[in-house]
Amino acid sequence: GESVGLHLPTLSVQEGDNSIINCAYSNSASDYFIWYKQESGKGPQFIIDIRSNMDKRQGQRVTVLLNKTVKHLSLQIAATQPGDSAVYFCAENRYTGFQKLVFGTGTRLLVSP
Amino acid sequence: GAGVSQSPSNKVTEKGKDVELRCDPISGHTALYWYRQSLGQGLEFLIYFQGNSAPDKSGLPSDRFSAERTGGSVSTLTIQRTQQEDSAVYLCASSRGTTNEKLFFGSGTQLSVL
Repeated sequence: GESVGLHLPTLSVQEGDNSIINCAYSNSASDYFIWYKQESGKGPQFIIDIRSNMDKRQGQRVTVLLNKTVKHLSLQIAATQPGDSAVYFCAENRYTGFQKLVFGTGTRLLVSP
Repeated sequence: GAGVSQSPSNKVTEKGKDVELRCDPISGHTALYWYRQSLGQGLEFLIYFQGNSAPDKSGLPSDRFSAERTGGSVSTLTIQRTQQEDSAVYLCASSRGTTNEKLFFGSGTQLSVL
């Protein structure tokens, strides 16, 4: 079926730690993946994306890793800060004539000072 | 520049009433999407508009839901005869094109059906 799932619903870390949020996807034909951050009362905010012809992409303090063999995606946040506390969603693009993003249920990241 | 704007930010209505939710996409973005987010859940695709093409309505949960996009810009999502299960955050997003383009989201409309 269509699903993008997450391994942990809540991740608690200490400020300064590195955080890793995992995501499994089910459609091997998906060619584009995005991570979004959603703070309370706000819409999802784009963090980083990766295309299926890559296995790693780095941004500012964030890295996305894509393992197509096991259909796994991860978001790494370096030196996690209290402002990183939010719900993180992975989304998978299944191009069916248009860009249809399928979202997972999200992982809540809690950063303690 | 301005982001995606949605109004109202909150809407409380009685069961059986009709509601209209509005979305102003980013200027120049040709693609517009509506998603629904129930409490503690991920985002559920509802409908997609691209330019002047016929919209993809494959995600609309029932015929009580409809949407239109006037002049390729502003969009309105209408829910008729609202039910309690319609309570959710309705999110609008826009993007520049159709393929592998990031979506920019508005802050959503929190709909509560009493």
